[in-house]
Amino acid sequence: DVKVTQSSRYLVKRTGEKVFLECVQDMDHENMFWYRQDPGLGLRLIYFSYDVKMKEKGDIPEGYSVSREKKERFSLILESASTNQTSMYLCASSLIAAGQGRVRQFFGPGTRLTVL
Amino acid sequence: DQQVKQNSPSLSVQEGRISILNCDYTNSMFDYFLWYKKYPAEGPTFLISISSIKDKNEDGRFTVFLNKSAKHLSLHIVPSQPGDSAVYFCAATGLSGTYKYIFGTGTRLKVLA
Repeated sequence: DVKVTQSSRYLVKRTGEKVFLECVQDMDHENMFWYRQDPGLGLRLIYFSYDVKMKEKGDIPEGYSVSREKKERFSLILESASTNQTSMYLCASSLIAAGQGRVRQFFGPGTRLTVL
Repeated sequence: DQQVKQNSPSLSVQEGRISILNCDYTNSMFDYFLWYKKYPAEGPTFLISISSIKDKNEDGRFTVFLNKSAKHLSLHIVPSQPGDSAVYFCAATGLSGTYKYIFGTGTRLKVLA
């Protein structure tokens, strides 16, 4: 069965700390994504990666960076955490869009990050 | 600018009745649409999708309708069950090269027993 795992379900950090969120997928998917989910705002794309070492900014990349050194792993980095980065972070992966029925994303369980 | 909109933040339906969740989009380049279901403290799970070459796709109790001229899609759940209570997100993407998925803000469905 398809699986996307995230390193932590819950995380509490202090303002100014560097935070690493890890995501691993076992489906050999080319594409990986990081979203944040906030009430009333839905899922907003932070960054995505379509290949190893390749990345593109999403809609809200400010304050975040990413790393993809291996195909199965996509990391989200908060260089200096701030309280407005308190949110649910969701990682997803997908195959390359190449035909009907192959474009759906598979999501991890999410990491609830609280920045104090 | 919200390209994918779900104007109803919440919906309550009696068990056994039909649930209709709506989604509107503005970008005519979108050609593939998906619905995801999300329980609290879990990631979204894929429910059903539809390509722009179709106007209806059915999978068991779930049917998605697409009206391209109105840029509107809807998800019908018949009959609704208490286990369907969740937040539903619609999402849109283009098959022609972009990897980006644009999500709506979600509709919280509550099915009353």
